[in-house]
Amino acid sequence: AQKITQTQPGMFVQEKEAVTLDCTYDTSDPSYGLFWYKQPSSGEMIFLIYQGSYDQQNATEGRYSLNFQKARKSANLVISASQLGDSAMYFCAMREEYNFNKFYFGSGTKLNVKP
Amino acid sequence: DTAVSQTPKYLVTQMGNDKSIKCEQNLGHDTMYWYKQDSKKFLKIMFSYNNKELIINETVPNRFSPKSPDKAHLNLHINSLELGDSAVYFCASSPSLDTGAKNIQYFGAGTRLSVL
Repeated sequence: AQKITQTQPGMFVQEKEAVTLDCTYDTSDPSYGLFWYKQPSSGEMIFLIYQGSYDQQNATEGRYSLNFQKARKSANLVISASQLGDSAMYFCAMREEYNFNKFYFGSGTKLNVKP
Repeated sequence: DTAVSQTPKYLVTQMGNDKSIKCEQNLGHDTMYWYKQDSKKFLKIMFSYNNKELIINETVPNRFSPKSPDKAHLNLHINSLELGDSAVYFCASSPSLDTGAKNIQYFGAGTRLSVL
């Protein structure tokens, strides 16, 4: 079974609007971490935001927030007030505490921000 | 001052050659990784080292050999390159494993390997 599923291969959003990128995960470990990374066309992988499985509140980092729904095993990334520079691939990833050396990555979502 | 740096950024070579990619991190992290990103952008872990000790070795052909001379460096040597090795290779590092699930990985800029 896939550990991380991103069902949206591509998304479009109008500049200044908010967008949600979906991520669902599969684990039986009670302690795990969820991460989002951005990969612009230049190729580097940029860490955006982290959510721990025991965190009571949804993580936020500037315009990025994580909509964490534990019972549904979803960790969607919300980008508010989209900017042209947000156009990139976005990857959801998970780390399980019992196997904390391994990151599982989703297949990514390509976000295009339209002017 | 780049946190995780890998060289070269681009590598074009002929089938059958041997090549190396170097990675260095100045974050003081204990753990380093190599990932392969294929043409469909799928990221797959290849190796992980913690304090110079190999802790993850995924099903990677033994033509790939990582070397960690110290905990700040993790190099990847590839023998007898094949067409299917063409990909982007990422180095990453993360803090001590004691941090548990919140062990953020920081990536280098990637090395685009093209085997002709």
